[in-house]
Amino acid sequence: KAGVTQTPRYLIKTRGQQVTLSCSPISGHRSVSWYQQTPGQGLQFLFEYFSETQRNKGNFPGRFSGRQFSNSRSEMNVSTLELGDSALYLCASSLGVGGSQETQYFGPGTRLLVL
Amino acid sequence: AQSVAQPEDQVNVAEGNPLTVKCTYSVSGNPYLFWYVQYPNRGLQFLLKYITGDNLVKGSYGFEAEFNKSQTSFHLKKPSALVSDSALYFCAVRDDNYGQNFVFGPGTRLSVLP
Repeated sequence: KAGVTQTPRYLIKTRGQQVTLSCSPISGHRSVSWYQQTPGQGLQFLFEYFSETQRNKGNFPGRFSGRQFSNSRSEMNVSTLELGDSALYLCASSLGVGGSQETQYFGPGTRLLVL
Repeated sequence: AQSVAQPEDQVNVAEGNPLTVKCTYSVSGNPYLFWYVQYPNRGLQFLLKYITGDNLVKGSYGFEAEFNKSQTSFHLKKPSALVSDSALYFCAVRDDNYGQNFVFGPGTRLSVLP
């Protein structure tokens, strides 16, 4: 079974631009979560989607948004990029709700550099 | 609120020696506990989890972890470390109350010295 895939793997943008990152979960997985990883802040939770509904949201400004499609694929968007948005963005998928279904499997990440 | 602490930023161990990477957590309900490993420029790889049942959990690559409810700990262990185990290790917790997200610890960098 294919793992979680993320596109693109690397991205360079300039301040003020916007960016869209894509995540395809493991087949059959209905939950997708997004995380931002930086050396200083570690892994920070952005949001989680389950069956096209946002279930949880972390403490990030409104410039960060996401969505999930009916096939469970997810996108996240960052508008008006700032230098501090440079990070590794990780997507994780899981089967769904409860018990052992909660295990998250991560993609390789998208490394975003904002200049 | 949920939280995870990994008290050691860095753990150094000699190859062949046992290793322990520490994790303590705080949740309001019952915890789902996980360990992940990250190699340079890679995503996180799942190692093992505790959901319920036996407190000693065995996972991938010879790793195991012991859930201790009274000490709210979930330390990762391996009887004999390999140089290839050198990586960044993350402990994570999720409260079993519906709708809670994962919370990750800050990570512990493990260096296994030959």
